[in-house]
Amino acid sequence: EAGVAQSPRYKIIEKRQSVAFWCNPISGHATLYWYQQILGQGPKLLIQFQNNGVVDDSQLPKDRFSAERLKGVDSTLKIQPAKLEDSAVYLCASSFLAGERSPLHFGNGTRLTVT
Amino acid sequence: AQSVTQLDSQVPVFEEAPVELRCNYSSSVSVYLFWYVQYPNQGLQLLLKYLSGSTLVKGINGFEAEFNKSQTSFHLRKPSVHISDTAEYFCAVSVYFGNEKLTFGTGTRLTIIP
Repeated sequence: EAGVAQSPRYKIIEKRQSVAFWCNPISGHATLYWYQQILGQGPKLLIQFQNNGVVDDSQLPKDRFSAERLKGVDSTLKIQPAKLEDSAVYLCASSFLAGERSPLHFGNGTRLTVT
Repeated sequence: AQSVTQLDSQVPVFEEAPVELRCNYSSSVSVYLFWYVQYPNQGLQLLLKYLSGSTLVKGINGFEAEFNKSQTSFHLRKPSVHISDTAEYFCAVSVYFGNEKLTFGTGTRLTIIP
C-alpha cells in the first residue's frame, strides 16, 4: 500500500512569512495527525482529525497555526505568520482507527527552516 | 498527565554487541507503551508496542522490550546490533481517555560502530 505522502520535503522562509504543508494519508485511514518535531525533541501532537472533524487541537498555537481536512482525506497545515521557533520537522500520520490499537503510519515529514 | 523520560540521548555500540535503550514513564493511570524508530530523513516507524498481557514484547528487526510496572520502565533491547540499526529511537506512552494521543520521549540516537 502507498504510504503517507507529504509535501514539500523542505521549506525555507523568512519570519513573518506564511507557509503551508500538505498531507495525503493512506487510503481508508479515518484518523489523521499533525506532529511538530523540534530538533532534539520528540514529536509533539498539534492536531488530530477523525474524518474531517477535529478531535484534539489543544496543543495547536491557534493564533498562528491552522489546519483543515476537507472531505476527510487530504489535510493542510498552515502557519501565518511564522516565527523563528517554528523551525522544525512537521510530521503527518494516519491510522485506520483512532487509538493505540491501530498503529500510526508516518510520512517522511516537511523540514521547515525559518530565518 | 503522562510523561516519558529517555535518559540517554546518544548510545554508541559496537557492531554485533548487545544494546539496551532505556525508557521510563510517569502516569497516574494505566498506560500503553510504544517504541518507534526514525531512520535519517524519514518518518517514524513502529517497532513494537505493549497494550496488555505478556510483559515481554517482541517487535520487528529483532528488537524486544520488557514492561516493568513496578519500575515504570519499558527498556528496548537487541542481543546483537547491525549497522542498519543506526537511527533515532523514540519511546512513547498513551493513556486511555477516549482520545489516545501519544506522548513521546526526547529520543535516543543509536550509533553502531563497525
